[in-house]
Amino acid sequence: GAVVSQHPSWVICKSGTSVKIECRSLDFQATTMFWYRQFPKQSLMLMATSNEGSKATYEQGVEKDKFLINHASLTLSTLTVTSAHPEDSSFYICSASRGAGEQYFGPGTRLTVT
Amino acid sequence: GENVEQHPSTLSVQEGDSAVIKCTYSDSASNYFPWYKQELGKGPQLIIDIRSNVGEKKDQRIAVTLNKTAKHFSLHITETQPEDSAVYFCAASSYGNQFYFGTGTSLTVIP
Repeated sequence: GAVVSQHPSWVICKSGTSVKIECRSLDFQATTMFWYRQFPKQSLMLMATSNEGSKATYEQGVEKDKFLINHASLTLSTLTVTSAHPEDSSFYICSASRGAGEQYFGPGTRLTVT
Repeated sequence: GENVEQHPSTLSVQEGDSAVIKCTYSDSASNYFPWYKQELGKGPQLIIDIRSNVGEKKDQRIAVTLNKTAKHFSLHITETQPEDSAVYFCAASSYGNQFYFGTGTSLTVIP
């Protein structure tokens, strides 16, 4: 149990376009979902926390108008990178919690902006 | 806020030997301490966790110990195998709130 999927696993887009990444909890209902960004050889950096039906809470320094998060149901959260630029290229990982404090991570999405 | 430190940053062991990774935390309110294994190009996988009401937890070759007084917890992997090679992250959180991650340990198991 506790499987989290992400789609797509990798995406290449042109500068100025928008990209949507989906995160799904496949076998449980996620009260909270988290979005992280990870640079090579570094730890995970929390971008935002989202609860179903509520606005996401963004970490300091993360532009909410650039990284749009929607948590429409207890099993789906989406991250949209708007007007992407090369510096947005990174590994984006979501996680989901069932409410007992643990987080189960998705496989990640590699975004490359050309 | 919480500060989690993790050591060592890299660790090489011979196959069959044990590996130990240590983390310290600063916030006494932290009560949940998971360990994740991350393989290259993949998301972190929860391998074991411990809550503050327990001092030790074991799952086959993996064990975690927690010393609340000293505010440190450790991951122990016995009888290491090449497939244990990965980056390991510790984390600390309180009551389901934000996770504070360590900086990671790159473990290499030499066949």
